[in-house]
This record gives sequence, structure tokens and C-alpha cells, in this order.
Amino acid sequence: EVQLVESGGGLVQPGGSLRLSCAASGFTFSSYEMNWVRQAPGKGLEWVSYISSSGSTIYYADSVKGRFTISRDNAKNSLYLQMNSLRAEDTAVYYCARGTVVTRGVDYWGQGTLVTVSS
Amino acid sequence: QSVLTQPPSVSAAPGQKVTISCSGSSSNIGNNYVSWYQQLPGTAPKLLIYDNNKRPSGIPDRFSGSKSGTSATLGITGLQTGDEADYYCGTWDSSLSAGLFGGGTKLTVL
Repeated sequence: EVQLVESGGGLVQPGGSLRLSCAASGFTFSSYEMNWVRQAPGKGLEWVSYISSSGSTIYYADSVKGRFTISRDNAKNSLYLQMNSLRAEDTAVYYCARGTVVTRGVDYWGQGTLVTVSS
Repeated sequence: QSVLTQPPSVSAAPGQKVTISCSGSSSNIGNNYVSWYQQLPGTAPKLLIYDNNKRPSGIPDRFSGSKSGTSATLGITGLQTGDEADYYCGTWDSSLSAGLFGGGTKLTVL
């Protein structure tokens, strides 16, 4: 069974940093592209970042470019999102998600971890 | 404001059919595949349709997808109360080099 379990969310002050992790199991992690997608309270989905299966290709939404860094450790079956210079508008549930909207869709999603940016 | 435009809400009676539209441009829908996602209240999104019109295993054929030009459509037939959810379209934007989701459509089954 495919499982994606996010961790690392919490309350952080504006300007602070947080590192999200996603533990993957039930599939060959190193063969799959991965994403982070967020959802602000009561709002729609917002794609945040993409990383290829090898980690060699990375993309970011303009809203987080220069502040967030996506990475993966295929040996540990883990995906990460380093978030720096956090702003109130970054408050959201962050989902780790397998696949790509380019083709075959984002087919598995974690349960999400809540990040709250507030003083 | 989302680059992909969806109606905020649609509604229909149980057993009826509903369609949800997703409008974009040549840099996104016009030249890339579209996928559709269902998000039931309080849960993570679920893939319903990928590559414009393909259904993952386990998704009933009541759900269908189509694309024409710079617009895509999700169709749901035989509506059930359990279909009440938010629905999102998704695609890639080749100009932005970024993924996109529509603003979402809330389906109410009256």
C-alpha cells in the first residue's frame, strides 16, 4: 500500500524557517517524481514545487522561489521542503504528493501537515 | 486569481449529470495534459482523471474527462450524495515552468 506521511509542520514566526519531511513507503520511491502542494485554510490547491525521480530537475512556484528548497533522499525514501523567510501567506496545509501534472497525474497524496506563520 | 478558471459551484439532483469546466490558455491546457482531483471534506485530494480522459483503476466510469483547445471538462453521471466535494483541474504551464491547479468547484448534490 502506498503511503506518504508528512511531518515537521507547526507554528513559526514571520521570517522564520521550517523543514517539512515526507516519508514514503509501499512503492519504489526512487522511480517517482514528487511534489509539494499546499492549501491555505478554506482555499484551493496551490502547487508549490516539483522534483524529478533523480532530483536533477526541480521547479518552484513563483510565490516560493528563492525561499523554499525541495530535495529528496532516495536511500531514505524521503522528500523534504526547506522553507525560509516564511510569511503569513505561507500558512497552509502542505501535502506531499507522488507523480506529476505533466502526465499520469498526481496519483497519491499524504494526509498533509499544517504550517502556521504567525507572531 | 487562478490561471485556470473553474466555476465556483455547480449543483444537480441525485441521479443526474453535471459537468465542470476548466478554462486556460495555450501555454497550459492547450498544450499539456489535464488531470482532475476530488477532495471530500476534511480529506486529501484524490486523482479522478489523468491525461485528459483516463481513469485510474478503481475510479468508476461515472467520471469522465475531455479536452478541447484551451478548455477541459469533467463529467459526472448518476450523481450520488457521496459525490459532494470540491473538484480541481490541474495541468502544467510550459511558459511558467510550473504546475497549476484551478480554483476549485464545489459540487452540491441537492
